[in-house]
Amino acid sequence: AQTVTQSQPEMSVQEAETVTLSCTYDTSESDYYLFWYKQPPSRQMILVIRQEAYKQQNATENRFSVNFQKAAKSFSLKISDSQLGDAAMYFCAYNNAGNMLTFGGGTRLMVKP
Amino acid sequence: EAGVAQSPRYKIIEKRQSVAFWCNPISGHATLYWYQQILGQGPKLLIQFQNNGVVDDSQLPKDRFSAERLKGVDSTLKIQPAKLEDSAVYLCASSMSAGVIETQYFGPGTRLLVL
Repeated sequence: AQTVTQSQPEMSVQEAETVTLSCTYDTSESDYYLFWYKQPPSRQMILVIRQEAYKQQNATENRFSVNFQKAAKSFSLKISDSQLGDAAMYFCAYNNAGNMLTFGGGTRLMVKP
Repeated sequence: EAGVAQSPRYKIIEKRQSVAFWCNPISGHATLYWYQQILGQGPKLLIQFQNNGVVDDSQLPKDRFSAERLKGVDSTLKIQPAKLEDSAVYLCASSMSAGVIETQYFGPGTRLLVL
């Protein structure tokens, strides 16, 4: 069974600075997708970024980028120029062809003004 | 494009009562998912539908939970009877199809408190 681990329960960053959230996963599959979702206090899960395992190039979406290390089974999220609105729970998730999302335990990100 | 709709947003019941949640996926999305998110944890898949058929319900506690998607569009999730440990947020998500890896889009969730 696939597992997803987020080792940082909480992280803090100063506004306008950069923060990196860690995620590792375990799988025997070769074809899969990885996702980062953001969950603000409203509880709505919002897709931040996704990475296809077959792509070597790291995905980027504006201020959000990932460092995907397939051999190490590592998938970290970098948030640049952090904003107050980035404060939320962030979940790393794994999805294979069965389309079942497996989530990590989450990292609470606090942004200090 | 309208997102995934869920109702109610909040529900408080006493243990042993029954409760039902409703979800309407994004138009055209064939696959619908129900997740349970206990406070402080990541969501856990309860059941996955492809159109009106069940793809995966291996983690659904079938002695008390049931779900249906009769016409392949909206879906209901029922708990009968509820237990204290069912207190959680119930998230509905949808994706275009289940045959390939698809991004899932989530609704706002229903927060259930069982007293």
